[in-house]
Amino acid sequence: DAKTTQPPSMDCAEGRAANLPCNHSTISGNEYVYWYRQIHSQGPQYIIHGLKNNETNEMASLIITEDRKSSTLILPHATLRDTAVYYCIVRVAPGKLIFGQGTELSVKP
Amino acid sequence: GAVVSQHPSRVICKSGTSVKIECRSLDFQATTMFWYRQFPKKSLMLMATSNEGSKATYEQGVEKDKFLINHASLTLSTLTVTSAHPEDSSFYICSATPPRANNEQFFGPGTRLTVL
Repeated sequence: DAKTTQPPSMDCAEGRAANLPCNHSTISGNEYVYWYRQIHSQGPQYIIHGLKNNETNEMASLIITEDRKSSTLILPHATLRDTAVYYCIVRVAPGKLIFGQGTELSVKP
Repeated sequence: GAVVSQHPSRVICKSGTSVKIECRSLDFQATTMFWYRQFPKKSLMLMATSNEGSKATYEQGVEKDKFLINHASLTLSTLTVTSAHPEDSSFYICSATPPRANNEQFFGPGTRLTVL
């Protein structure tokens, strides 16, 4: 299974962009990169996913490097409600997500 | 988006008793559901894949006789923690993927189990 490496914690000022990096150097050609977040004591929430191309939705943007060995999740205008643990996941099989340790993002006023 | 519910949201039980946790897909059918557990300040750990109408598939190191999974219908999977002990105290979370959901997996709100 491809593994991911993320910084354990990050801070971001409210209203600024939050850029969360993820390394997945052993990713295979057909494995997707998924991002989820978990607010304290709740179930994880889907954010975005991608294979090769950069992706954008109403929540975030996902930038995947050309060699696919790393990616960055961008929250364009972070709010206090974006404070959560963010998980970068390489999907090993349909529906089967193996979570890493994640990045605890703290958005500060 | 699709909704996955869990019941109960929290449960406290005595050591040696069994506890059943339900996971329901409210507005879609799910032939496969997933069960995770999460200890405080730790990440989610996949326990098993629940398959409707057949046996669950357990991850390495997860005791199938300890954590009984039943997926009797397309909208309901249950996890029973048998003969619970304090070390089984954890946050249990289920998930499912609706058909045509572009592989987006929806998680339930979780069940907090405390074994005294």
